[in-house]
Amino acid sequence: EADIYQTPRYLVIGTGKKITLECSQTMGHDKMYWYQQDPGMELHLIHYSYGVNSTEKGDLSSESTVSRIRTEHFPLTLESARPSHTSQYLCASSDTQQGSESPLHFGNGTRLTVT
Amino acid sequence: RKEVEQDPGPFNVPEGATVAFNCTYSNSASQSFFWYRQDCRKEPKLLMSVYSSGNEDGRFTAQLNRASQYISLLIRDSKLSDSATYLCAVNSGYSTLTFGKGTMLLVSP
Repeated sequence: EADIYQTPRYLVIGTGKKITLECSQTMGHDKMYWYQQDPGMELHLIHYSYGVNSTEKGDLSSESTVSRIRTEHFPLTLESARPSHTSQYLCASSDTQQGSESPLHFGNGTRLTVT
Repeated sequence: RKEVEQDPGPFNVPEGATVAFNCTYSNSASQSFFWYRQDCRKEPKLLMSVYSSGNEDGRFTAQLNRASQYISLLIRDSKLSDSATYLCAVNSGYSTLTFGKGTMLLVSP
């Protein structure tokens, strides 16, 4: 099982605050991802990275930003949190595999509430 | 047409029943297919990969039908603990996985 960690698990924060959600993996996976999921709804890809210094926007427009300075670390930052950002944020990683996509391994998520 | 579509359910079945879900995908060039299980308010966990030749793991069987562009998941002898949402995932043309909305399964005593 992949070792991928997210902190914090739960975060309640006021509108306008800057927040960073942390995600680290110890598997040496090249690819990392951030998904957003509202309760009972589908996963939406918001950012992904193929490796160090690579970041791409996903399918869902997001006001967040990401960075990938180290292979194992893929933090997500919201410069100014708003109530519409209230959601669960799931980080994932996968190995590089030629010709096909490897399965994703997910962290246990950060549940963000913006008041 | 959405890239990946699933019947949201819920599928209500008694313990011991056999249940099957399908997942259709629109990109005929897709190469990788997976089934995930997600419990309420938890992260998705990989259940099994779906190979061209099919894949079986205990009570779970996954199949791929390229001609009709769908994958299926069969659960035999359902347990109460199988109650969860089952997500299918298919790779898109941009080398990322696209997830379906999931099918909810409720197994009752």
